[in-house]
Amino acid sequence: AQKVTQAQTEISVVEKEDVTLDCVYETRDTTYYLFWYKQPPSGELVFLIRRNSFDEQNEISGRYSWNFQKSTSSFNFTITASQVVDSAVYFCALRPASGGSYIPTFGRGTSLIVHP
Amino acid sequence: GAGVSQSPRYKVAKRGQDVALRCDPISGHVSLFWYQQALGQGPEFLTYFQNEAQLDKSGLPSDRFFAERPEGSVSTLKIQRTQQEDSAVYLCASSSYEVPYGYTFGSGTRLTVV
Repeated sequence: AQKVTQAQTEISVVEKEDVTLDCVYETRDTTYYLFWYKQPPSGELVFLIRRNSFDEQNEISGRYSWNFQKSTSSFNFTITASQVVDSAVYFCALRPASGGSYIPTFGRGTSLIVHP
Repeated sequence: GAGVSQSPRYKVAKRGQDVALRCDPISGHVSLFWYQQALGQGPEFLTYFQNEAQLDKSGLPSDRFFAERPEGSVSTLKIQRTQQEDSAVYLCASSSYEVPYGYTFGSGTRLTVV
């Protein structure tokens, strides 16, 4: 069974602050993929990143960075110098890399509100 | 098309009414997923197609829920005798590989059962 926990229900920051969204996961699979998605008010989930379990290198993309710690089963997401346009619900997701079940399991999401 | 298209965008149904929700995946995408997202929750898996074959329907909450993808492209999620607890956003996602690495989501259909 897989489980994704996003303990932060809502985070409120002021523009230009840095913010970290936490994601902790549980899985019995030895290989798996982790994802982050953004859901703006329009409703569609926008893909941000995919990380496979055997690549623990951290990744940076502009103001976004991801910290994957396999030892603590965490895949945290940091936004540097937040902007109002970053306001959205962010979801972390997990799926096995093999075994035939390619169905992602999502966390409950963290609502990020960035105030001007 | 350029993205995953879902229709209608909003649907209000009276309790007991049947509804049909449509998903147009990106052209050529092999895999198609349906998710249910209740207010304030994450998406919950309903069912998964690879081409026209429904490979997993373990997430369908009851036998009132039925999904099909007869020609391996457009998919329809049907809910019979809707109930208030069916109120949610229904999301469709598609992927270009038989072993999906990335998923493109539609904007969803918001179903409200009154």
